Amino acid sequence: EPEVTQTPSHQVTQMGQEVILRCVPISNHLYFYWYRQILGQKVEFLVSFYNNEISEKSEIFDDQFSVERPDGSNFTLKIRSTKLEDSAMYFCASSAPLQLEQFFGPGTRLTVL
Amino acid sequence: GENVEQHPSTLSVQEGDSAVIKCTYSDSASNYFPWYKQELGKGPQLIIDIRSNVGEKKDQRIAVTLNKTAKHFSLHITETQPEDSAVYFCARMDSSYKLIFGSGTRLLVRP
Repeated sequence: EPEVTQTPSHQVTQMGQEVILRCVPISNHLYFYWYRQILGQKVEFLVSFYNNEISEKSEIFDDQFSVERPDGSNFTLKIRSTKLEDSAMYFCASSAPLQLEQFFGPGTRLTVL
Repeated sequence: GENVEQHPSTLSVQEGDSAVIKCTYSDSASNYFPWYKQELGKGPQLIIDIRSNVGEKKDQRIAVTLNKTAKHFSLHITETQPEDSAVYFCARMDSSYKLIFGSGTRLLVRP
């Protein structure tokens, strides 16, 4: 069964460093999302992406964040200058055309020291 | 407001008993309500969903009910098994197709 994959599973970085989190959505999906989950809290929406542009972004998704679909398979989230409060699980999700179901990847645990 | 309220935050049941988790929302424009199961260290897994044009949906031991007038929906798990132990999240989809999650319910099924 097709699934969303994410790399790395765990990323440790120093405050102020740039990180890139990578996702490979399900192959025929056209809508892509990033969510995050701070430890012990609920899942929060960050950004949605369709047709090579951002559809919507939350207040969390400030100028330090960016997303890109550099090729036909990858979808990336970049944080330019990480802060301690960026430490969280980051989940990529995707959905198929005309379908509402969103399928999540296993997540990347980001630890900012 | 935008939030989804979810109760209880923790639920402990004996194997074989039923478990019920409830969520409420206030945005009457919401029309899609998925439930996700999250096991330790894994991503949320979609287990069942319901659209606003139906009141109930069932898939084996899992069912979801929706009362659109009262703006609440519930997850029902019957004949619980230890492998049902996980954190369960309800969510609603808003008009821009983003999911807004509840705060989660930690379900423990005691053998």
